[in-house]
Amino acid sequence: EVQLLESGGDLVQPGGSLRLSCAASGFTFTSYAMSWVRQAPGKGLEWVSSISNSGFSTFYADSVRGRFTISRDNSKNTLYLQMSSLRVDDAAIYYCAKKGTTEGSGYFDYWGQGTLVTVSS
Amino acid sequence: SYELTQPPSVSVSPGQTASITCSGDKLGDEYAYWYQQKPGQSPVVVIYQNNKRPSGVPERFSGSKSGNTATLTISGTQAMDEADYYCQAWDSSTYVFGTGTKVTVL
Repeated sequence: EVQLLESGGDLVQPGGSLRLSCAASGFTFTSYAMSWVRQAPGKGLEWVSSISNSGFSTFYADSVRGRFTISRDNSKNTLYLQMSSLRVDDAAIYYCAKKGTTEGSGYFDYWGQGTLVTVSS
Repeated sequence: SYELTQPPSVSVSPGQTASITCSGDKLGDEYAYWYQQKPGQSPVVVIYQNNKRPSGVPERFSGSKSGNTATLTISGTQAMDEADYYCQAWDSSTYVFGTGTKVTVL
């Protein structure tokens, strides 16, 4: 059974930093690209960042580029999101998501339960 | 990146058909995907590659695409289908989600 367990969400002041983690199990972690998707309270889904299965390639939404860093530790089956210079509008539930299996397509077939990031003074 | 536009809300009577559209300038060149999200829960994919249904998703969910518009259709809608639905596209490096549609089963 695929499981994605996020952690690290917290209350942080504007300008602060936070690192999110996502522990993966139930699949061959090293074979799949992984992503972070966020959802502000009462709002829609917003893709944040993705990383290739090797970790060599990373991609970011314009809204977080230069402030967030995605990484992974394949020896620990863990995905990370280092967030810095946090802003009030970064407040959201952050989901870890696994790229779908189907060759040539880009979607998320499994999602974690999410971790809440609150940015407030 | 670009935008995917959905109607904010769709209302449907039990047993009837609900259709949700998703429009985007580049959607004609890409696959469309659809997610269902119920309150307090994580999203779940219900359609991938325009019209394929993952195992476990009821047959009443179907997808189609014509040009720059994708459509999610729920036939014989049930009360349990009341949820938010999001379309999504991917251009090999970035993902885009639609604005979301709240489906209400009256």
